[in-house]
Amino acid sequence: DAGVTQSPTHLIKTRGQQVTLRCSPKSGHDTVSWYQQALGQGPQFIFQYYEEEERQRGNFPDRFSGHQFPNYSSELNVNALLLGDSALYLCASSNTGVLLFGPGTRLTVL
Amino acid sequence: GENVEQHPSTLSVQEGDSAVIKCTYSDSASNYFPWYKQELGKGPQLIIDIRSNVGEKKDQRIAVTLNKTAKHFSLHITETQPEDSAVYFCAASTYSSASKIIFGSGTRLSIRP
Repeated sequence: DAGVTQSPTHLIKTRGQQVTLRCSPKSGHDTVSWYQQALGQGPQFIFQYYEEEERQRGNFPDRFSGHQFPNYSSELNVNALLLGDSALYLCASSNTGVLLFGPGTRLTVL
Repeated sequence: GENVEQHPSTLSVQEGDSAVIKCTYSDSASNYFPWYKQELGKGPQLIIDIRSNVGEKKDQRIAVTLNKTAKHFSLHITETQPEDSAVYFCAASTYSSASKIIFGSGTRLSIRP
């Protein structure tokens, strides 16, 4: 089992653009959460998806949205990118509450 | 809102010595406290966790303690090895919001040979 996988590994965008990040959870996991980790800081919770619905949300603007598909995979969408959105975006999956993190997608906004 | 403070931000210890990282949390409803290790270029990896009905938990060279009254919890690594070098994060959450984990700011641990 590959665990949690994320794509792409790295991404460079310019201000105002939109981006989509993808996550495949560990086999058997049905819940996906997304976190943003700025350089030198701890991860911050963005939102959680379960049964294809957003169940919990952190303190992030509506520019951040997501989706979960029937196979439990998930996407994170960010619109109108700002320089401050540059960060490592982590996906985590679970089925018992214990989170398993993927390697992340490094997003750079120029 | 919930806040988790972590100290120190950097820690350097001699190989074979012990390392201690301390955290405090603000939300008294928190009842699940995981610790993560993050190596360069990787996502955080769970190394040990403790729930509020337990005061201490040990797994080989790693131990965690929890003082709910003081809202303190700590990570202890004994007999440190070079592969222990990484960034460590403490975190807190509640059973009902297990995915919404509040992380500390991290401790960069370096093991000197």
